[in-house]
Amino acid sequence: DVKVTQSSRYLVKRTGEKVFLECVQDMDHENMFWYRQDPGLGLRLIYFSYDVKMKEKGDIPEGYSVSREKKERFSLILESASTNQTSMYLCASVSTENTEAFFGQGTRLTVV
Amino acid sequence: GENVEQHPSTLSVQEGDSAVIKCTYSDSASNYFPWYKQELGKRPQLIIDIRSNVGEKKDQRIAVTLNKTAKHFSLHITETQPEDSAVYFCAAVKYSTLTFGKGTMLLVSP
Repeated sequence: DVKVTQSSRYLVKRTGEKVFLECVQDMDHENMFWYRQDPGLGLRLIYFSYDVKMKEKGDIPEGYSVSREKKERFSLILESASTNQTSMYLCASVSTENTEAFFGQGTRLTVV
Repeated sequence: GENVEQHPSTLSVQEGDSAVIKCTYSDSASNYFPWYKQELGKRPQLIIDIRSNVGEKKDQRIAVTLNKTAKHFSLHITETQPEDSAVYFCAAVKYSTLTFGKGTMLLVSP
């Protein structure tokens, strides 16, 4: 069974903290994505990666960075968390051949 | 970049009615158009998709149509059931990158 796993389901962090969100997939997919989901705004693309050590900015990269040191793992980093980064974060994994996206279960991040 | 517009944002129907959700996209290079269903508290799941060389695809009670010339595609659900209640997202895909619409909350009342 296909699996995309995010490290935490719920996180509460303080303003200014450095936050790491981890995503691991077991499907040997080349492409991985980080989205944030907010009511009324849908899923907005933060960063994506087509290969190891490769990263591309999405539509809303400000305040975020990413790391992809291994093919199966894609990390989203909030360098200095702010309250406007309170959101649901979804990781997705996509095969270049198939293009179907598989999502992680989501991380609900609250910044206080 | 790609821009996907989705309408309506909310849709309420009675059980047994049909529901239609419409999306438009801007980038003619997009060539794959999936639809995802997200139930409350769960991750989005693919329910149907269509590629740019096909005009229509059907899977039991759901169907998707694509008009490449007009750059729009639609999801049709017939004989709706309460378990169809969820948020539905359309997406346009180019080079494996998905751009999503803002979502439609479908409520099916018994």
